[in-house]
Amino acid sequence: DAGVIQSPRHEVTEMGQEVTLRCKPISGHNSLFWYRQTMMRGLELLIYFNNNVPIDDSGMPEDRFSAKMPNASFSTLKIQPSEPRDSAVYFCASTPDVNQPQHFGDGTRLSIL
Amino acid sequence: AQKITQTQPGMFVQEKEAVTLDCTYDTSDPSYGLFWYKQPSSGEMIFLIYQGSYDQQNATEGRYSLNFQKARKSANLVISASQLGDSAMYFCAMREGFSGTYKYIFGTGTRLKVLA
Repeated sequence: DAGVIQSPRHEVTEMGQEVTLRCKPISGHNSLFWYRQTMMRGLELLIYFNNNVPIDDSGMPEDRFSAKMPNASFSTLKIQPSEPRDSAVYFCASTPDVNQPQHFGDGTRLSIL
Repeated sequence: AQKITQTQPGMFVQEKEAVTLDCTYDTSDPSYGLFWYKQPSSGEMIFLIYQGSYDQQNATEGRYSLNFQKARKSANLVISASQLGDSAMYFCAMREGFSGTYKYIFGTGTRLKVLA
């Protein structure tokens, strides 16, 4: 069974560039989550969707960050313009039900130079 | 105030012994869920165990058990018969809120090292 698929696995880019992270949730999972993990701040929930609708985006750090879920099988997290402090590991996770565990992708390691 | 508190930044345990990783939580919601995840050095997040606030019995999954003390708002993870492969970062997490307004919070983690 395919798990949550994230791409790219690694991204290195210069500050000011647009960065797009992609996620394909597990088929049948109707909730999707984007997290950011850093040494300083730990694991932070950025935004989550339920049935493709954004439910809570209070964790999105600022307007440079945006997320979309155009259909049940695809989501993007975009940073524009990117800054060095955005360097982190970004995880996508999905779950079929709030009482079920979240299944995490392998993460995207983002480095902004 | 921290919603999820893991007071042990790092712990050591001898192989084959049991270890308890502490987690306390803070919520006023009657319905909530508690999760534990393992993150090995390779970076992936692996679900271990779940406890619902209304569950009468402590959750168990193989060598993992959750010592749920609702009145004390604690949800400690117990790993029995530790193995070298258990060396990893362990995160406690909580889901609180009501339908449509759920919040998910992770603790800062405990790094466990199993000694041979």
